[in-house]
Amino acid sequence: GQNIDQPTEMTATEGAIVQINCTYQTSGFNGLFWYQQHAGEAPTFLSYNVLDGLEEKGRFSSFLSRSKGYSYLLLKELQMKDSASYLCAPHGGATNKLIFGTGTLLAVQP
Amino acid sequence: GAVVSQHPSRVICKSGTSVKIECRSLDFQATTMFWYRQFPKQSLMLMATSNEGSKATYEQGVEKDKFLINHASLTLSTLTVTSAHPEDSSFYICSAGAASGSGEQFFGPGTRLTVL
Repeated sequence: GQNIDQPTEMTATEGAIVQINCTYQTSGFNGLFWYQQHAGEAPTFLSYNVLDGLEEKGRFSSFLSRSKGYSYLLLKELQMKDSASYLCAPHGGATNKLIFGTGTLLAVQP
Repeated sequence: GAVVSQHPSRVICKSGTSVKIECRSLDFQATTMFWYRQFPKQSLMLMATSNEGSKATYEQGVEKDKFLINHASLTLSTLTVTSAHPEDSSFYICSAGAASGSGEQFFGPGTRLTVL
């Protein structure tokens, strides 16, 4: 079967660092996406990991361990505008379907 | 690049009517488009995969006769919610697959459907 597990909600302080974890079990795996979604809006692309290790892109970094079925998204120097849902989405198989987790609702407080 | 539009952005209709939602890839050709539904405070649920020139592939539990999908060209897919009921009220989002086949999807802005 397919299963994705993320914390439902997290709270962090402006300027701090937060790590959002994601564990997954999928039939077939090509890579894993992280998307950001503000309320009432469509998801926007943040990162894509294919190989094990850390991918850094500005204030956002994403890590993948394929053997452990584990990924995390690291957000540094948090800003109020980072308050949003963060969606972990592994993909695999010939159909290129993305399977979305429930998302983690991050609240950044002053 | 990689812009996807949806129309309308918001629609309110009466129970029993049908609603059509359009999804267009504006600057690239998308052989595959995806339709999602998202209820409040829940994640995106894939409804169907739309392939240009062929029948859509529906996810388990999604009624193909109620949610009609047409992918007539490489830049346009439509979702028609037939005989809509209040429980169909949701946020409908389409996405287009990257032409490179990388798996990345570019999302439209979504359509908020409210059925009275």
